[in-house]
Amino acid sequence: DQQVKQNSPSLSVQEGRISILNCDYTNSMFDYFLWYKKYPAEGPTFLISISSIKDKNEDGRFTVFLNKSAKHLSLHIVPSQPGDSAVYFCGFVLEYGNKLVFGAGTILRVKS
Amino acid sequence: NAGVMQNPRHLVRRRGQEARLRCSPMKGHSHVYWYRQLPEEGLKFMVYLQKENIIDESGMPKERFSAEFPKEGPSILRIQQVVRGDSAAYFCASSPDIYGYTFGSGTRLTVV
Repeated sequence: DQQVKQNSPSLSVQEGRISILNCDYTNSMFDYFLWYKKYPAEGPTFLISISSIKDKNEDGRFTVFLNKSAKHLSLHIVPSQPGDSAVYFCGFVLEYGNKLVFGAGTILRVKS
Repeated sequence: NAGVMQNPRHLVRRRGQEARLRCSPMKGHSHVYWYRQLPEEGLKFMVYLQKENIIDESGMPKERFSAEFPKEGPSILRIQQVVRGDSAAYFCASSPDIYGYTFGSGTRLTVV
């Protein structure tokens, strides 16, 4: 979708280090932001979300950051584990909207 | 509580045949969404339905594709006269509201 850009198609990280995945968006009407993880041959699974009134949300090893002025969303995973290797999609919901728009995805490989 | 059930998991069709993909949402979920993932691409929104209503079909190809979510039974994504370019993974998601998406495992359509 043209409104959302995940500029890094892939990322390789050493086990134990931090993984940082990024998304940029153009539509200022997005008000809810999510990250999904997808393994091959499986459906996407919800990971973490943040609403537009916050700039940070943390859940265990996963932290999502939202910079509304820069229209930038990021996901930090620390420490990274080999089981985190998957495709990560950022997702956006419009204010009063009803559909989830995804980025193109970033393949994360965590090396042991 | 079973998750979102999609069947079949794999579907092979010859060019010109019809493909029917089924999605049973989670119990209590009244919103159903269909997404398509073409090879090497991200998740593209196709259609959003509630019982007996199409709410947003802005992502559906104009021809050959249709979707329904009847009062009773699963949601159906129907592709008539399939072509090789329809080969993709089709994912269904359901939610109780506009935010809590749960995805099924997908149907992988191969057109030969």
